Amino acid sequence: GAGVSQSPSNKVTEKGKDVELRCDPISGHTALYWYRQSLGQGLEFLIYFQGNSAPDKSGLPSDRFSAERTGGSVSTLTIQRTQQEDSAVYLCASSGTSGGPYEQYFGPGTRLTVT
Amino acid sequence: AQSVAQPEDQVNVAEGNPLTVKCTYSVSGNPYLFWYVQYPNRGLQFLLKYITGDNLVKGSYGFEAEFNKSQTSFHLKKPSALVSDSALYFCAVRLRNSGNTPLVFGKGTRLSVIA
Repeated sequence: GAGVSQSPSNKVTEKGKDVELRCDPISGHTALYWYRQSLGQGLEFLIYFQGNSAPDKSGLPSDRFSAERTGGSVSTLTIQRTQQEDSAVYLCASSGTSGGPYEQYFGPGTRLTVT
Repeated sequence: AQSVAQPEDQVNVAEGNPLTVKCTYSVSGNPYLFWYVQYPNRGLQFLLKYITGDNLVKGSYGFEAEFNKSQTSFHLKKPSALVSDSALYFCAVRLRNSGNTPLVFGKGTRLSVIA
């Protein structure tokens, strides 16, 4: 079956512009996660959804970042007024149906470059 | 709070030699433990997980990991390294019975296998 997909794969934007990043999770997965990875470094957790609710938004770096999930499926991460420090690879993952020690399945990421 | 430590930023090993990538964890209860691999310009791929039972877990591509509760470790091992194993490796933890909460990742260890 299809894995997690993300679009666009690459995005170059000018400082100050808004961007939207999209994630399509594996069908039936109830949990969805956003992470950020800078220059092949570690993963920085941003936000996670269970269904359409976000129990944990603790990783969002500032109020310029927001995310939503509709229909328990697709999620969009929006960055307003982008800054150069927002440049990174944004990774989405999904997991499980409910409970259980399910691993997270990752998409290929969106590489964001803010010029 | 949960945390994962990968004490080595970089591990170098000759092709054909055994490899070990170290991971220690800290949780306030019993953990589920995971290993992921990231090849260049790709998302993270799941390798293996420890849930319960046998402390030695076997996963993809000939990798295995040993859960050691007394040392709070979950080191990744392979008996004979291949050049194609060169990648970034992440250890992750989730507290048991915490549902689909996000995995907590270590900072990653870059493995370089030299021919």
